Amino acid sequence: GNSVTQMEGPVTLSEEAFLTINCTYTATGYPSLFWYVQYPGEGLQLLLKATKADDKGSNKGFEATYRKETTSFHLEKGSVQVSDSAVYFCALSGADSNYQLIWGAGTKLIIKP
Amino acid sequence: GAVVSQHPSRVICKSGTSVKIECRSLDFQATTMFWYRQFPKKSLMLMATSNEGSKATYEQGVEKDKFLINHASLTLSTLTVTSAHPEDSSFYICSARDASVGGLETQYFGPGTRLLVL
Repeated sequence: GNSVTQMEGPVTLSEEAFLTINCTYTATGYPSLFWYVQYPGEGLQLLLKATKADDKGSNKGFEATYRKETTSFHLEKGSVQVSDSAVYFCALSGADSNYQLIWGAGTKLIIKP
Repeated sequence: GAVVSQHPSRVICKSGTSVKIECRSLDFQATTMFWYRQFPKKSLMLMATSNEGSKATYEQGVEKDKFLINHASLTLSTLTVTSAHPEDSSFYICSARDASVGGLETQYFGPGTRLLVL
């Protein structure tokens, strides 16, 4: 079945550091890929998405590229801020799972000033 | 656009009482709504999927008589936790989807409801 694996956290970085959170997936067909962010005490927000191979999703300085050859969708940001501290979830959705979201375990990101 | 609200945001209740949580899509019609449960420091667990006008489809291990879901209209779904017990304490999150808004693959999430059963 479909699955998503993302790096375990917490990930602790200093402000202005470069961020990478790894995400790989297993899926049949051609799923869409997502990154969701959950700030402390809040619900989930869609951060970015990509619907086909080689697409790059981007938002708020974050970006991720849909790599079919490596089945990856790594999240990157060039210079993180304290306000980026949150839990980040990688997810996929496809027709073969009736478009239900398949979630990674989440990665907690802590940015220190 | 694509805003989903939940009410209440936080509720404390006594064991044995029932609690109703509302999920509304504010600016689009949600043909499908999902209810999730999130345990501390864990990912989301899908509880059930509801389509407007039909019965909800529950995931394996979720008691449908305990977690009553009603998708009354294209903008409102409710989750009622019946005879709540302390082990039902959790963060409940709904999401909504409409094919005309973001496609079949995109869900928009509410802010969540934190339930504490004493």
